[in-house]
Amino acid sequence: GAVVSQHPSRVICKSGTSVKIECRSLDFQATTMFWYRQFPKQSLMLMATSNEGSKATYEQGVEKDKFLINHASLTLSTLTVTSAHPEDSSFYICSARDRRELGGFGEQYFGPGTRLTVT
Amino acid sequence: AQSVTQLDSQVPVFEEAPVELRCNYSSSVSVYLFWYVQYPNQGLQLLLKYLSGSTLVKGINGFEAEFNKSQTSFHLRKPSVHISDTAEYFCAVSEVTGGFKTIFGAGTRLFVKA
Repeated sequence: GAVVSQHPSRVICKSGTSVKIECRSLDFQATTMFWYRQFPKQSLMLMATSNEGSKATYEQGVEKDKFLINHASLTLSTLTVTSAHPEDSSFYICSARDRRELGGFGEQYFGPGTRLTVT
Repeated sequence: AQSVTQLDSQVPVFEEAPVELRCNYSSSVSVYLFWYVQYPNQGLQLLLKYLSGSTLVKGINGFEAEFNKSQTSFHLRKPSVHISDTAEYFCAVSEVTGGFKTIFGAGTRLFVKA
């Protein structure tokens, strides 16, 4: 089946620094990737939709200058948390849609998530 | 805009008992419906999905769900649960014309007791 990886799986950084999280589709090409944020014991909140070769579409309330998303290729999207603060600590999950399924709905394949802790 | 309500935040159940996790949605257009399972510190795994056709959908691990358009519900069921089914379960909805953006419910913690 389709596999999505995230790196790193866990990261701790100091307040004020930036952190980059990678999301890769390993055995398929992804036209669209999604970035979610999940607080403890809560649901996934969609942060942004990333389309290859174009700017990401951010959800209302998500700061685009703080959460930089780049989808430079059909297999890689990155989320950079800039000037991180403790309140940015969360579980970040990406998902990807297979470009071969453009004719239909196309399932989303989820990465394993990245646990970010800002101290 | 669509929304999803999972009516139970936690469902404790004994092993080998049946279980139902409830999900209701709201949307002004046609939707696709999903159930995902999440184990601790892991991503989401698709259990099953309803896109069209038969309203009774069978998924992995013995789970099934029934789409009820009149009641705008998509409840998840399993006739006999195992300890290994203990996890967080999320109901999700995507509007057919919504650019495939998926909205998740708050989740239901299924806790299977021996």
